[in-house]
Amino acid sequence: EAQVTQNPRYLITVTGKKLTVTCSQNMNHEYMSWYRQDPGLGLRQIYYSMNVEVTDKGDVPEGYKVSRKEKRNFPLILESPSPNQTSLYFCASTLRDRHTGELFFGEGSRLTVL
Amino acid sequence: AQTVTQSQPEMSVQEAETVTLSCTYDTSESDYYLFWYKQPPSRQMILVIRQEAYKQQNATENRFSVNFQKAAKSFSLKISDSQLGDAAMYFCAYTRTTSGTYKYIFGTGTRLKVLA
Repeated sequence: EAQVTQNPRYLITVTGKKLTVTCSQNMNHEYMSWYRQDPGLGLRQIYYSMNVEVTDKGDVPEGYKVSRKEKRNFPLILESPSPNQTSLYFCASTLRDRHTGELFFGEGSRLTVL
Repeated sequence: AQTVTQSQPEMSVQEAETVTLSCTYDTSESDYYLFWYKQPPSRQMILVIRQEAYKQQNATENRFSVNFQKAAKSFSLKISDSQLGDAAMYFCAYTRTTSGTYKYIFGTGTRLKVLA
């Protein structure tokens, strides 16, 4: 089954404790991206990657890191989480060539930073 | 910079009736895609419909259709014969189609309630 898989789905952590949210897709998509969803603000793009070893900042990259060492994986790293990073996070991917534009989303990761 | 605006934070519709959700956007590009995504309580993001800017014909998918007004930069979603399962948050989104960065811009969402 074609899918984007995020882990963990739920996480409660404390300020300053490094964490990684993993994202993996099995559709051979070149493009992958991360979003955070907050009430009243919609989805905002954190980082995106056009292909392996190619990443770029979205609209809200502060406090986050990403890496794209393999085509299928695009982890989101919070080096020193803070309470303002409490949010719902989505990973998404799409084909780059023959680009239809449709983003395929993971199921979301609810992160709470105390 | 491109922006997407959804001016209706919440809408209600009676079951079996029709409702229209509004979306406006701003861009200087001529080629782009527009989307409506549905987010039910399960949080999953589901593509409802997409529109390519170069196509004048409005996209339709069963009970869902759009009114795409390129000159006015408007992209509204019409849901006909509303069903209880249509209750969800709806997001309008934009991305350019030209080569280069594939940045996606989302609106703030409209929560749709369907009344039995």
